[in-house]
Amino acid sequence: EADIYQTPRYLVIGTGKKITLECSQTMGHDKMYWYQQDPGMELHLIHYSYGVNSTEKGDLSSESTVSRIRTEHFPLTLESARPSHTSQYLCASTRTRSYEQYFGPGTRLTVT
Amino acid sequence: DQQVKQNSPSLSVQEGRISILNCDYTNSMFDYFLWYKKYPAEGPTFLISISSIKDKNEDGRFTVFLNKSAKHLSLHIVPSQPGDSAVYFCAAPDSGYALNFGKGTSLLVTP
Repeated sequence: EADIYQTPRYLVIGTGKKITLECSQTMGHDKMYWYQQDPGMELHLIHYSYGVNSTEKGDLSSESTVSRIRTEHFPLTLESARPSHTSQYLCASTRTRSYEQYFGPGTRLTVT
Repeated sequence: DQQVKQNSPSLSVQEGRISILNCDYTNSMFDYFLWYKKYPAEGPTFLISISSIKDKNEDGRFTVFLNKSAKHLSLHIVPSQPGDSAVYFCAAPDSGYALNFGKGTSLLVTP
């Protein structure tokens, strides 16, 4: 059973605010990913981690940052939200040597 | 540059008929492909996959076909059901296991 959680599910916030999107998984997966998706578009990889204390930027340039202090937790932070950050953010995880990624329900972020 | 392409943004099919969703890729190094299904306001869920050593993989109503020479794969859903209405994404992992996604095809199955 895939168990990966994201909070909040929806967030409306004003420009300039700092926000953290939470992602947790209970499967013990070592690899975790953050994707950004706009309607009608593909999912773009913005960050990934291969394990604790490992973080890398993805293909899509992002002003967000991530941390991986615990295996199960992979939060994403925006220091100063802008309207261009309005999007859906999807967290995923996978076990070692597997291609199948399990996705959380996503966070729909709106920056006004 | 997008390496996985789904050129049909939408598809409408009658219930009971076959749905065929297409996907093309440009990177000949891709050797594994996945299909995901996504409902609005939810994350994608894994549907079916295929390794490049096969040309077909079947799971119930879902079959994926791979044509390596044409760099093309397709997902067949038979028979289509209204609950299949969703956005379907084709994806291929890179060497680092991150997935390259297409833009998706929105499938509508009408009663």
